[in-house]
Amino acid sequence: EAQVTQNPRYLITVTGKKLTVTCSQNMNHEYMSWYRQDPGLGLRQIYYSMNVEVTDKGDVPEGYKVSRKEKRNFPLILESPSPNQTSLYFCASSFVSGVWETQYFGPGTRLLVL
Amino acid sequence: GQQLNQSPQSMFIQEGEDVSMNCTSSSIFNTWLWYKQDPGEGPVLLIALYKAGELTSNGRLTAQFGITRKDSFLNISASIPSDVGIYFCAGQLRSGAGSYQLTFGKGTKLSVIP
Repeated sequence: EAQVTQNPRYLITVTGKKLTVTCSQNMNHEYMSWYRQDPGLGLRQIYYSMNVEVTDKGDVPEGYKVSRKEKRNFPLILESPSPNQTSLYFCASSFVSGVWETQYFGPGTRLLVL
Repeated sequence: GQQLNQSPQSMFIQEGEDVSMNCTSSSIFNTWLWYKQDPGEGPVLLIALYKAGELTSNGRLTAQFGITRKDSFLNISASIPSDVGIYFCAGQLRSGAGSYQLTFGKGTKLSVIP
C-alpha cells in the first residue's frame, strides 16, 4: 500500500530538548516536504527536498533542520524546540513536484512544546 | 514569502446547494492546486491546474486557473454532507534556480446542513 508514515504521531516535550520527527515513503518519490499547520494560518511549508542531498527552505524554516540521505526518508529536526513550534506537522511526497496527482500526505504529528 | 488570500473563511450551506470559493495572490503562480482536509487527516488533492485559463472538473468539483495567473476558484455543485471539511488552495511558484515552493491559502471551512 502506497503511504507516507510519520513518527511519532503525538509528542509532548520541553523547551530546548532536541527532537526528530521521522517521515518515510514507500513510493520511490523524489520530492518530499514538511509543513506546519496552525489555526487560522493554514499550512506553511518548512523545507522541501527535490532529491537525495538536495534540500531547500520553504516559507518558515527558522528553528528547523532537515536531511535527505536516502530517497525514502526525510526527517525533521528541531535542535532546540520552543513553545512557538507547538503545531501540527505534515510530511508529503510526490514523484516530482510538478506532478501533483502523485502527492501523498502523511497522517500528521501533533507536537506540544512546554 | 508569498501570500494567498482565500475566501470565504467559512461557509454554512444547505445540502444540495452549490458552493464557490476562491484564492487570489499578488504573485504569479505556475500551478494552482485545491485540497480537502478532513478532521484528523492530512490534505488530499482534489484538482491540479497547470495552465492559465484551464478549467478542470472532477465529479461535482470544478476549478479554474485564472488568466492572470494570480487567482483560482473552486466550485462544488449539489453539496452533500460528506463535503464537510476544510478546503485549501495552493500555488506553486517555480524559482529561478529550478526548484519549487508550494504556498497554501488559510483555508475555507465548509459546513453542510442536512
